[in-house]
Amino acid sequence: SQKIEQNSEALNIQEGKTATLTCNYTNYSPAYLQWYRQDPGRGPVFLLLIRENEKEKRKERLKVTFDTTLKQSLFHITASQPADSATYLCALDWGKLQFGAGTQVVVTP
Amino acid sequence: NAGVTQTPKFQVLKTGQSMTLQCAQDMNHEYMSWYRQDPGMGLRLIHYSVGAGITDQGEVPNGYNVSRSTTEDFPLRLLSAAPSQTSVYFCASSQGKGDTQYFGPGTRLTVL
Repeated sequence: SQKIEQNSEALNIQEGKTATLTCNYTNYSPAYLQWYRQDPGRGPVFLLLIRENEKEKRKERLKVTFDTTLKQSLFHITASQPADSATYLCALDWGKLQFGAGTQVVVTP
Repeated sequence: NAGVTQTPKFQVLKTGQSMTLQCAQDMNHEYMSWYRQDPGMGLRLIHYSVGAGITDQGEVPNGYNVSRSTTEDFPLRLLSAAPSQTSVYFCASSQGKGDTQYFGPGTRLTVL
């Protein structure tokens, strides 16, 4: 069965720095991969989608890469702000959307 | 647009009780799904529907039933609640099966 791995340890980062999150998966590559943000007590909110034939996608201060050889996606938040503090989930579509457990990001002033 | 709404926000049940979690969306989305979220395990798909009258099982369907009589509503029924069903439940909808998912605010369920 397919598995998704996201770092379970919180990422503590100083304001203004770049936060980089990893999403690793096993078996074959999905058609596309999505990233979501989740704040405490709320439902996930969609951020970015990247397809298997795309290497990189950007949206404002966010950047996602998708390496099907490494079976890995990287999610970058540049010029991070305290408001970026949240849990970030990756989700892969293998016929049904499957979510990783998420990585918490804490941005300190 | 209200988006995806869920009721109730919180619920406490005793083992063996049954209940229905409500989910509604006003975006005319065909695809709707139910997830449960447990600490350290991420979101797990319970059931999903690709349109009115069509439902299918996800990763963890046991103990849950769904139906989809209209495009807007997708209720989740717990037949006989068990402590293992203590979790936060999220409903989501999307235009199609592979599209961006819009999530509701969640229902926090505790089974004693």
